[in-house]
Amino acid sequence: DAKTTQPNSMESNEEEPVHLPCNHSTISGTDYIHWYRQLPSQGPEYVIHGLTSNVNNRMASLAIAEDRKSSTLILHRATLRDAAVYYCILQTGANNLFFGTGTRLTVIP
Amino acid sequence: DAMVIQNPRYQVTQFGKPVTLSCSQTLNHNVMYWYQQKSSQAPKLLFHYYDKDFNNEADTPDNFQSRRPNTSFCFLDIRSPGLGDAAMYLCATSSNQGRNQPQHFGDGTRLSIL
Repeated sequence: DAKTTQPNSMESNEEEPVHLPCNHSTISGTDYIHWYRQLPSQGPEYVIHGLTSNVNNRMASLAIAEDRKSSTLILHRATLRDAAVYYCILQTGANNLFFGTGTRLTVIP
Repeated sequence: DAMVIQNPRYQVTQFGKPVTLSCSQTLNHNVMYWYQQKSSQAPKLLFHYYDKDFNNEADTPDNFQSRRPNTSFCFLDIRSPGLGDAAMYLCATSSNQGRNQPQHFGDGTRLSIL
C-alpha cells in the first residue's frame, strides 16, 4: 500500500489559514491524492482530491508539488467546525482507500 | 437527507454471539465498502462490493462476512465476535471504481462486545 506521512497534530487559530502537509514520496504517475477528514463520532468526510494540478472547491484547496511527492491541504479560514483528523490518502488501486494515521487539527478560539 | 445510513448507531453483543450490521444508501452507487476503525486508529478496509462482485482484503479475518442483496443494502456479519472485534464499523459508497471517485461514508455503528 502506498504510504503517506503526515504530522500527528497541528494547531491553528480560528479564522486563520491552515496548511496541512503530506509527503508521499512513493507516489506513481497514476495515483490520485485524496483528503478526507473525520470529525468526532462521525464517519470520514471527503474533502478534495487531485492528480497533478492544484484543485479548489468550496471546502478547501489542494496544492500539489511539481514532482508530486508532497501536497498541502489548505483551509483558507479555520473555524471551530474544522477541528478534525485529516487524512491524506493515495488512491492506487481500483477505489480502495488505505488510511494513514492522519493529522489531528485543533482550532483555537 | 442522509445518503449512507447505518443502523443501529450503537450495537452491543455477547462474546461469540453472531451479529449483523446494516448499511443502506440512497445514492444508487455501484460500490459499497466496509471499514473497521478501532479506537484512536485510522479506518481499515475489510472488503467491498462492486455491484454483486465481492472483494475481500487479504488480511480480513474469516469471521467477517458480507452480503449485498440489492444495490441499496449491504450487511456485515460477524459470525463469532471476539473482544478484539469491538470497534466502529463504517460503511461507504462510491459511484464507480476509479481512482478519482470520492467515497461517501455513513456515521458508523459502534460495536461493543460483552
